[in-house]
Amino acid sequence: QVQLVQSGAEVTEPGASVKVSCKASGYTFTAYAMHWVRQAPGQSLEWMGWINGGNGDTKYSQKFQGRVTITSDTSATTGYMELSSLRSEDTAVYFCVRGYNLGSHRPDYWGQGTLVTVSS
Amino acid sequence: QSALTQPASVSGSPGQSITISCTGTSSDVGGYNYVSWYQQHPGKAPKVMIYDVRNRPSGVSNRFSGSKSGNTASLTISGLQAEDEADYYCGSYTSSSTLWVFGGGTKLTVL
Repeated sequence: QVQLVQSGAEVTEPGASVKVSCKASGYTFTAYAMHWVRQAPGQSLEWMGWINGGNGDTKYSQKFQGRVTITSDTSATTGYMELSSLRSEDTAVYFCVRGYNLGSHRPDYWGQGTLVTVSS
Repeated sequence: QSALTQPASVSGSPGQSITISCTGTSSDVGGYNYVSWYQQHPGKAPKVMIYDVRNRPSGVSNRFSGSKSGNTASLTISGLQAEDEADYYCGSYTSSSTLWVFGGGTKLTVL
């Protein structure tokens, strides 16, 4: 069965960076993409970016362009999302979501989420 | 503000049917049959209920159905049950520089 297991909660200070990992299993890692989506407390889902699992191509939301870096390690079947220059508004639950390399690119299976708290 | 527009809340009694709308543009909802719907219970990760406008993943009840007309997609839940009470989000592929967009979410209350 498809499983996405994310790293644990993080507490960090304004101006710092955070890197969240997402270990995938139950499917061929390179045949699928990975999205990153965040959800601030009480707010809606917000798409951040996507990485093609086969060739490593990335796309980012303009809102996060320049601050977010999405990578993957195919040998470890793990995806990563790094967000820099953190501010209090970045406090949110961050999800990795399996997606598709082509066609709809739709997100389907979700990780459990990682709470990132930005506070001084 | 979210790229796709959903009503903030809907409600219905057990056994009734409700419909949640999701309005976008010709660059997303209207231009492609790539709309998904997600259910999220409090404190949980979202779960896909409908993909590609009207397809149900294995294991999702046939009480959930999807449709689209023009730039508006809809999720209908028939025979409402208490466990359907949750937040629902639509999402769509977009031809803009952003690959995927979500709606603002709709809170479903089962009375």
